[in-house]
Amino acid sequence: EAQVTQNPRYLITVTGKKLTVTCSQNMNHEYMSWYRQDPGLGLRQIYYSMNVEVTDKGDVPEGYKVSRKEKRNFPLILESPSPNQTSLYFCASSSSPRWAGGPGTDTQYFGPGTRLTVL
Amino acid sequence: GQQVMQIPQYQHVQEGEDFTTYCNSSTTLSNIQWYKQRPGGHPVFLIQLVKSGEVKKQKRLTFQFGEAKKNSSLHITATQTTDVGTYFCAGMNYGGSQGNLIFGKGTKLSVKP
Repeated sequence: EAQVTQNPRYLITVTGKKLTVTCSQNMNHEYMSWYRQDPGLGLRQIYYSMNVEVTDKGDVPEGYKVSRKEKRNFPLILESPSPNQTSLYFCASSSSPRWAGGPGTDTQYFGPGTRLTVL
Repeated sequence: GQQVMQIPQYQHVQEGEDFTTYCNSSTTLSNIQWYKQRPGGHPVFLIQLVKSGEVKKQKRLTFQFGEAKKNSSLHITATQTTDVGTYFCAGMNYGGSQGNLIFGKGTKLSVKP
């Protein structure tokens, strides 16, 4: 089954304790992206990757890191989490979307989300 | 920076009534996408519009992209309880970073049976 998976789905942690949220897709998609969703603010893009070893900042990259060493995985790293990073996080992928300059399909597939609480 | 404004924030309708949500951008968009997110779920891609003045239909849903490519709308005819959820538009700034999507804050639709 084609899907985007995220782990963990729920996480409660404390300020300053490094954490990684994993994202994996089995569709051989070139494009992957991370978003955070907060009440009243909608979805905001954190980082995106057009392909392996190619990453770019979205609108709210501060406090986050990403890496794209292989096509299927796009982990989100919080080196020193703070309470203002408490949020619902979504990973998404797409096959070289035309809207991102690629020749592929437009559909962006989202993972199930990771609810992070930083105390 | 680029902003995508979406109205209304909430809409409550009786089943069978129509529903429309609007998106407006401060800058010209190269494309606009629409997503639906059910309560407790993740966003699901509905459609993308690219051309000025483009209109696309999916059963009871009609999507429009403005002539100036700065606004868009989603209209649902004769709403059903299955339409409940939050509808988001997302656009890419014309000439901006490819891959950088800006989302509206969404319109939350509730449908009373």
